[in-house]
Amino acid sequence: KQEVTQIPAALSVPEGENLVLNCSFTDSAIYNLQWFRQDPGKGLTSLLLIQSSQREQTSGRLNASLDKSSGRSTLYIAASQPGDSATYLCADTNSGGYQKVTFGTGTKLQVIP
Amino acid sequence: GAVVSQHPSWVICKSGTSVKIECRSLDFQATTMFWYRQFPKQSLMLMATSNEGSKATYEQGVEKDKFLINHASLTLSTLTVTSAHPEDSSFYICSAGRRDHRRETQYFGPGTRLLVL
Repeated sequence: KQEVTQIPAALSVPEGENLVLNCSFTDSAIYNLQWFRQDPGKGLTSLLLIQSSQREQTSGRLNASLDKSSGRSTLYIAASQPGDSATYLCADTNSGGYQKVTFGTGTKLQVIP
Repeated sequence: GAVVSQHPSWVICKSGTSVKIECRSLDFQATTMFWYRQFPKQSLMLMATSNEGSKATYEQGVEKDKFLINHASLTLSTLTVTSAHPEDSSFYICSAGRRDHRRETQYFGPGTRLLVL
Protein backbone atom coordinates (compact mmCIF):
# COMPACT_ATOMS: atom_id res chain seq x y z
CA LYS A 1 0.00 0.00 0.00
CA GLN A 2 1.39 3.35 -1.05
CA GLU A 3 2.08 5.84 1.70
CA VAL A 4 2.90 9.45 1.00
CA THR A 5 4.46 11.59 3.70
CA GLN A 6 5.18 15.28 3.71
CA ILE A 7 7.70 16.97 5.96
CA PRO A 8 7.43 19.36 7.64
CA ALA A 9 3.77 19.39 8.57
CA ALA A 10 3.95 23.13 9.09
CA LEU A 11 6.42 25.79 8.13
CA SER A 12 6.66 29.49 8.88
CA VAL A 13 9.14 31.67 7.02
CA PRO A 14 9.73 35.40 6.55
CA GLU A 15 8.81 36.93 3.23
CA GLY A 16 11.50 36.68 0.58
CA GLU A 17 13.01 33.42 1.74
CA ASN A 18 13.51 30.46 -0.56
CA LEU A 19 12.05 27.25 0.79
CA VAL A 20 11.76 23.55 0.08
CA LEU A 21 8.84 21.28 0.81
CA ASN A 22 9.46 17.55 0.92
CA CYS A 23 7.34 14.61 -0.18
CA SER A 24 8.29 10.96 0.16
CA PHE A 25 6.50 7.87 -1.11
CA THR A 26 7.05 4.23 -0.25
CA ASP A 27 6.30 2.62 -3.62
CA SER A 28 8.45 3.94 -6.46
CA ALA A 29 6.19 2.46 -9.14
CA ILE A 30 4.44 5.71 -9.86
CA TYR A 31 3.04 7.12 -13.08
CA ASN A 32 3.21 10.76 -12.12
CA LEU A 33 3.43 13.03 -9.13
CA GLN A 34 1.51 16.25 -8.65
CA TRP A 35 1.82 19.18 -6.32
CA PHE A 36 -1.31 21.03 -5.29
CA ARG A 37 -2.09 24.11 -3.30
CA GLN A 38 -5.12 24.30 -1.03
CA ASP A 39 -6.21 27.57 0.51
CA PRO A 40 -8.25 27.49 3.73
CA GLY A 41 -11.81 26.46 2.99
CA LYS A 42 -11.08 26.21 -0.72
CA GLY A 43 -10.42 23.47 -3.23
CA LEU A 44 -7.30 22.19 -4.87
CA THR A 45 -5.22 24.17 -7.32
CA SER A 46 -2.86 22.09 -9.40
CA LEU A 47 0.65 23.58 -9.40
CA LEU A 48 2.94 21.14 -11.15
CA LEU A 49 2.72 17.65 -12.56
CA ILE A 50 5.81 15.54 -13.14
CA GLN A 51 5.59 12.43 -15.27
CA SER A 52 7.60 9.43 -14.07
CA SER A 53 10.02 9.87 -16.96
CA GLN A 54 10.76 13.47 -15.98
CA ARG A 55 13.11 14.82 -13.35
CA GLU A 56 11.61 18.24 -12.76
CA GLN A 57 9.03 20.80 -13.77
CA THR A 58 9.09 24.56 -13.38
CA SER A 59 6.39 27.18 -13.29
CA GLY A 60 7.32 30.72 -12.36
CA ARG A 61 8.83 30.73 -8.87
CA LEU A 62 8.01 27.06 -8.38
CA ASN A 63 10.24 24.13 -9.20
CA ALA A 64 9.34 20.52 -8.49
CA SER A 65 11.78 17.64 -8.72
CA LEU A 66 11.22 13.92 -8.75
CA ASP A 67 13.64 11.14 -7.77
CA LYS A 68 11.80 7.86 -8.17
CA SER A 69 14.68 5.70 -7.02
CA SER A 70 14.76 7.36 -3.62
CA GLY A 71 11.00 7.85 -3.44
CA ARG A 72 11.21 11.61 -3.07
CA SER A 73 9.89 14.78 -4.57
CA THR A 74 10.59 18.35 -3.55
CA LEU A 75 8.80 21.60 -4.23
CA TYR A 76 11.07 24.61 -4.26
CA ILE A 77 9.50 28.04 -3.83
CA ALA A 78 11.73 30.98 -4.62
CA ALA A 79 11.38 34.42 -3.07
CA SER A 80 8.34 33.48 -1.00
CA GLN A 81 5.44 35.93 -0.69
CA PRO A 82 2.58 36.20 1.83
CA GLY A 83 0.25 35.09 -0.95
CA ASP A 84 2.05 31.76 -1.00
CA SER A 85 0.57 30.95 2.41
CA ALA A 86 -1.51 27.80 1.98
CA THR A 87 -1.38 24.05 2.48
CA TYR A 88 0.66 22.23 -0.12
CA LEU A 89 -0.22 18.66 -1.01
CA CYS A 90 1.69 16.17 -3.08
CA ALA A 91 -0.06 13.22 -4.68
CA ASP A 92 1.18 10.32 -6.75
CA THR A 93 -0.61 8.20 -9.28
CA ASN A 94 0.38 4.55 -9.30
CA SER A 95 1.66 2.92 -12.46
CA GLY A 96 -0.36 -0.25 -12.11
CA GLY A 97 -3.37 -1.23 -14.14
CA TYR A 98 -5.79 0.18 -11.61
CA GLN A 99 -5.18 3.91 -11.38
CA LYS A 100 -5.03 5.20 -7.84
CA VAL A 101 -4.03 8.61 -6.54
CA THR A 102 -2.57 8.78 -3.05
CA PHE A 103 -2.35 12.13 -1.33
CA GLY A 104 0.25 13.21 1.15
CA THR A 105 -0.49 14.63 4.55
CA GLY A 106 0.24 18.19 3.49
CA THR A 107 2.55 21.00 4.58
CA LYS A 108 0.93 24.14 5.92
CA LEU A 109 3.03 27.11 4.88
CA GLN A 110 2.86 30.57 6.39
CA VAL A 111 4.87 33.38 4.85
CA ILE A 112 5.20 36.28 7.26
CA PRO A 113 5.30 39.79 5.79
CA GLY B 1 -7.67 22.45 -21.13
CA ALA B 2 -8.76 19.75 -18.66
CA VAL B 3 -11.09 21.83 -16.51
CA VAL B 4 -13.30 20.17 -13.95
CA SER B 5 -16.08 22.00 -12.17
CA GLN B 6 -18.15 21.17 -9.12
CA HIS B 7 -21.47 22.51 -8.01
CA PRO B 8 -22.28 23.70 -5.46
CA SER B 9 -19.08 24.93 -3.88
CA TRP B 10 -20.75 25.31 -0.50
CA VAL B 11 -23.80 23.66 0.98
CA ILE B 12 -25.36 23.81 4.41
CA CYS B 13 -28.24 21.47 5.15
CA LYS B 14 -30.26 20.09 8.00
CA SER B 15 -29.65 16.63 9.36
CA GLY B 16 -31.70 14.02 7.52
CA THR B 17 -31.81 15.75 4.17
CA SER B 18 -30.11 14.57 0.99
CA VAL B 19 -27.53 16.60 -0.85
CA LYS B 20 -26.46 16.23 -4.47
CA ILE B 21 -23.06 17.34 -5.69
CA GLU B 22 -22.28 17.60 -9.40
CA CYS B 23 -18.91 17.09 -11.04
CA ARG B 24 -18.43 18.08 -14.67
CA SER B 25 -15.52 17.84 -17.06
CA LEU B 26 -15.92 20.99 -19.12
CA ASP B 27 -13.60 20.48 -22.06
CA PHE B 28 -12.99 16.76 -22.27
CA GLN B 29 -14.80 13.47 -21.96
CA ALA B 30 -14.03 11.48 -18.86
CA THR B 31 -14.68 7.78 -18.88
CA THR B 32 -13.72 7.58 -15.23
CA MET B 33 -14.52 9.96 -12.40
CA PHE B 34 -13.36 9.75 -8.82
CA TRP B 35 -14.81 11.05 -5.57
CA TYR B 36 -12.64 12.00 -2.59
CA ARG B 37 -13.41 13.17 0.91
CA GLN B 38 -11.27 15.29 3.21
CA PHE B 39 -11.96 15.60 6.92
CA PRO B 40 -10.46 18.53 8.87
CA LYS B 41 -6.70 18.36 9.19
CA GLN B 42 -6.57 15.12 7.20
CA SER B 43 -5.56 14.36 3.68
CA LEU B 44 -7.88 13.44 0.84
CA MET B 45 -9.16 9.87 0.80
CA LEU B 46 -10.66 8.13 -2.18
CA MET B 47 -14.31 7.22 -1.68
CA ALA B 48 -15.28 5.67 -4.98
CA THR B 49 -14.50 5.32 -8.65
CA SER B 50 -17.22 5.61 -11.25
CA ASN B 51 -17.23 4.63 -14.87
CA GLU B 52 -19.77 6.01 -17.32
CA GLY B 53 -22.75 3.75 -17.61
CA SER B 54 -21.79 1.30 -14.87
CA LYS B 55 -21.97 1.03 -11.12
CA ALA B 56 -19.39 2.77 -8.99
CA THR B 57 -16.67 0.91 -7.15
CA TYR B 58 -16.50 1.94 -3.51
CA GLU B 59 -13.46 1.89 -1.27
CA GLN B 60 -13.53 -0.16 1.87
CA GLY B 61 -15.49 1.50 4.63
CA VAL B 62 -17.57 3.74 2.36
CA GLU B 63 -21.30 3.03 2.49
CA LYS B 64 -22.64 2.67 -1.03
CA ASP B 65 -26.24 3.17 0.09
CA LYS B 66 -25.36 6.42 1.79
CA PHE B 67 -23.17 7.88 -0.95
CA LEU B 68 -24.99 7.33 -4.24
CA ILE B 69 -22.92 7.93 -7.34
CA ASN B 70 -24.38 8.34 -10.79
CA HIS B 71 -22.09 8.69 -13.79
CA ALA B 72 -24.77 9.58 -16.30
CA SER B 73 -22.61 10.82 -19.14
CA LEU B 74 -18.99 11.22 -20.18
CA THR B 75 -18.95 14.71 -18.69
CA LEU B 76 -21.09 14.43 -15.58
CA SER B 77 -20.97 12.48 -12.34
CA THR B 78 -23.11 13.15 -9.29
CA LEU B 79 -22.61 12.25 -5.66
CA THR B 80 -25.70 12.20 -3.47
CA VAL B 81 -25.25 12.13 0.27
CA THR B 82 -28.47 10.57 1.48
CA SER B 83 -29.94 11.34 4.90
CA ALA B 84 -26.95 13.46 5.76
CA HIS B 85 -25.78 13.67 9.36
CA PRO B 86 -23.28 16.01 11.06
CA GLU B 87 -20.53 13.40 10.77
CA ASP B 88 -20.87 13.63 6.98
CA SER B 89 -19.71 17.23 7.12
CA SER B 90 -16.59 17.26 5.04
CA PHE B 91 -14.90 18.55 1.93
CA TYR B 92 -15.80 16.49 -1.14
CA ILE B 93 -13.63 16.66 -4.25
CA CYS B 94 -14.10 14.94 -7.56
CA SER B 95 -11.61 14.25 -10.30
CA ALA B 96 -12.07 13.28 -13.92
CA GLY B 97 -9.73 11.04 -15.83
CA ARG B 98 -8.44 12.16 -19.23
CA ARG B 99 -6.23 10.01 -21.39
CA ASP B 100 -2.80 11.63 -21.64
CA HIS B 101 0.35 9.93 -22.85
CA ARG B 102 -1.56 6.66 -23.33
CA ARG B 103 -2.62 6.70 -19.71
CA GLU B 104 -5.28 8.48 -17.71
CA THR B 105 -4.40 11.56 -15.72
CA GLN B 106 -6.82 12.77 -13.08
CA TYR B 107 -7.84 16.40 -13.11
CA PHE B 108 -9.39 17.70 -9.93
CA GLY B 109 -12.42 19.85 -9.33
CA PRO B 110 -12.39 22.74 -6.87
CA GLY B 111 -14.32 20.83 -4.21
CA THR B 112 -17.61 21.14 -2.34
CA ARG B 113 -17.75 21.93 1.33
CA LEU B 114 -20.70 20.29 3.09
CA LEU B 115 -21.89 21.30 6.52
CA VAL B 116 -24.69 19.29 8.07
CA LEU B 117 -26.39 20.94 11.01
